[in-house]
This record gives sequence, structure tokens and C-alpha cells, in this order.
Amino acid sequence: LAKTTQPISMDSYEGQEVNITCSHNNIATNDYITWYQQFPSQGPRFIIQGYKTKVTNEVASLFIPADRKSSTLSLPRVSLSDTAVYYCLVGDLNTPLVFGKGTRLSVIA
Amino acid sequence: DSGVTQTPKHLITATGQRVTLRCSPRSGDLSVYWYQQSLDQGLQFLIQYYNGEERAKGNILERFSAQQFPDLHSELNLSSLELGDSALYFCASSPLDRGGTGELFFGEGSRLTVL
Repeated sequence: LAKTTQPISMDSYEGQEVNITCSHNNIATNDYITWYQQFPSQGPRFIIQGYKTKVTNEVASLFIPADRKSSTLSLPRVSLSDTAVYYCLVGDLNTPLVFGKGTRLSVIA
Repeated sequence: DSGVTQTPKHLITATGQRVTLRCSPRSGDLSVYWYQQSLDQGLQFLIQYYNGEERAKGNILERFSAQQFPDLHSELNLSSLELGDSALYFCASSPLDRGGTGELFFGEGSRLTVL
């Protein structure tokens, strides 16, 4: 199971772009990279998933370099409501998602 | 609203007791996952069921058990409760057999407090 490392916390001002990088040096060929968001006392919510290169949806972008040993979640123009914990997960079809401690993002007005 | 329903939302009980947490997955989802979230341990995977059968097991204690019924709802039974079992218990569902890809839909959790 690929271990992930991400910053414990980050601060950002409203309106800025936030990039959260996750390291997963021993990612396997069949592994996908998935990011979830969790607000206090709520269940995690899926943000984005990718295998390689770049994936973009209406909420975020996910950048994955060619070696796939890291990934970066990019949140454009964050607002106060983006204050949450963000989890980077790596797993394949046969492994239930394992969450780490995540990155606590605080958005400041 | 994820479509996953968990009951009860809050539960307070005493050490040594037994409780049952219930989860109704999204309509059509065959997989149910249970996770435990405590302050010091983060979000821990406990167990997964697919269409009534156990599919994967994580860090689930022997005092805990789960099952998925024919109507696809699932129950997590916690017995001989200890203070350290106090946590948020989340249920998630997905249409897939495996949890490594695709999206998991989480319920709002059941907060268990053991006194």
C-alpha cells in the first residue's frame, strides 16, 4: 500500500490559488490518486481523481508528473468555505481507500 | 446530501455496553464501507461489504462486527465498549466492488461517546 505524505496544515488568504502537494514515492502501476475534502463533523467528500498528467473538474485541478511519485491538488481562488481537511489517497482496484491525517487548510479573510 | 443515511447521529453509552450503528447506502450502491474517526487516529478503515459479502477488512477490533443485509443496509455492532471507542463512525457506499477507484459517498456519521 503506497504511503502518502502531505503537509499537516496550510494557510491561505481568500481569492488565492492553493496548491497542496502529496508525496507517494512507492505508488504502484495500478494505483490511482484521489483527493477528498472533509468539513468538521461531516463525512469526507470526493474532489477529484487521476492516474497521470492533469485532471480538471469544476472544483479543482490535479497535476500528476510523469513519474507519479507526487501529485498536486490545485484549488483556484479559495473562499472561506474551502476551509477543511484535504486528504490525498493512493490505491488500486483491490484496496479500500486508506485515509491519512490529511492537510488542514485554513482560509483567512 | 450524499444519499447515505446513518442512524443514530449521536449516541452516549457506558463502558461495557453494546451498540449498533445502522447505515443505508445510496440507492443502487452495492458496496458499504465503515470507517472510524477519532481525534488521534484520523480516519481508519474498518470493513467493507459488497452485496452482502465481506470484501475487505481493515483495523477492525474483534469486539466489533458488521454485516450487510439483503436490502443492502449495513449494521456495525460494537460490544464491550471502552472509552477509546469514542469516535465518529462513518459509513460510505459505492456502486463498485472495489474501493480503490471511483467515488465513495459518505454519510454524516454517528458520533459515539462512551462514558
